[in-house]
Amino acid sequence: AAGVIQSPRHLIKEKRETATLKCYPIPRHDTVYWYQQGPGQDPQFLISFYEKMQSDKGSIPDRFSAQQFSDYHSELNMSSLELGDSALYFCASSFWNQPQHFGDGTRLSIL
Amino acid sequence: RKEVEQDPGPFNVPEGATVAFNCTYSNSASQSFFWYRQDCRKEPKLLMSVYSSGNEDGRFTAQLNRASQYISLLIRDSKLSDSATYLCAVNIDDYKLSFGAGTTVTVRA
Repeated sequence: AAGVIQSPRHLIKEKRETATLKCYPIPRHDTVYWYQQGPGQDPQFLISFYEKMQSDKGSIPDRFSAQQFSDYHSELNMSSLELGDSALYFCASSFWNQPQHFGDGTRLSIL
Repeated sequence: RKEVEQDPGPFNVPEGATVAFNCTYSNSASQSFFWYRQDCRKEPKLLMSVYSSGNEDGRFTAQLNRASQYISLLIRDSKLSDSATYLCAVNIDDYKLSFGAGTTVTVRA
């Protein structure tokens, strides 16, 4: 079965650079979620979109923004990157309030 | 205080053993409950949803106790492949999941 697809799998950036992470949800899923998981941490909710509208916001820094497009894919834009932004970034999708399914994640390393 | 608390373990058990652990949540308005499994910095994979009546999926049994605000996971006849971190996740509203820090289980031969 099709899963959540994230790209890129790995990304290396330097401080103050920008990064864009992409997420393609499972077909027919209408909700996309972004989570950040730092080393030794549990996933922390960043932001979610339902039917292309922001539905909830968590601990997302002001330097980050996200959107969901007409084809339901989502992008997380990160600017002025800091060392502390190094983490695994997971996208998850669901149909309405059904369980969330996660993508493989993007490992972001800031040098 | 975190919204979701878990015993971090680690639980080191021999193959064939039964292992069980709990997760407590602080918000009584929590609506949905899940167990996810995460292997070594890979993505969380949905193991099972947890219902008030309790539910079983093969060797895995999950229970929800709303009065005491905890959920549990029991693994019977442990396999080496069950070694992982088990994340408890709770939905407070329709959207975000709040995760516990995870319980590490190591099954030894």
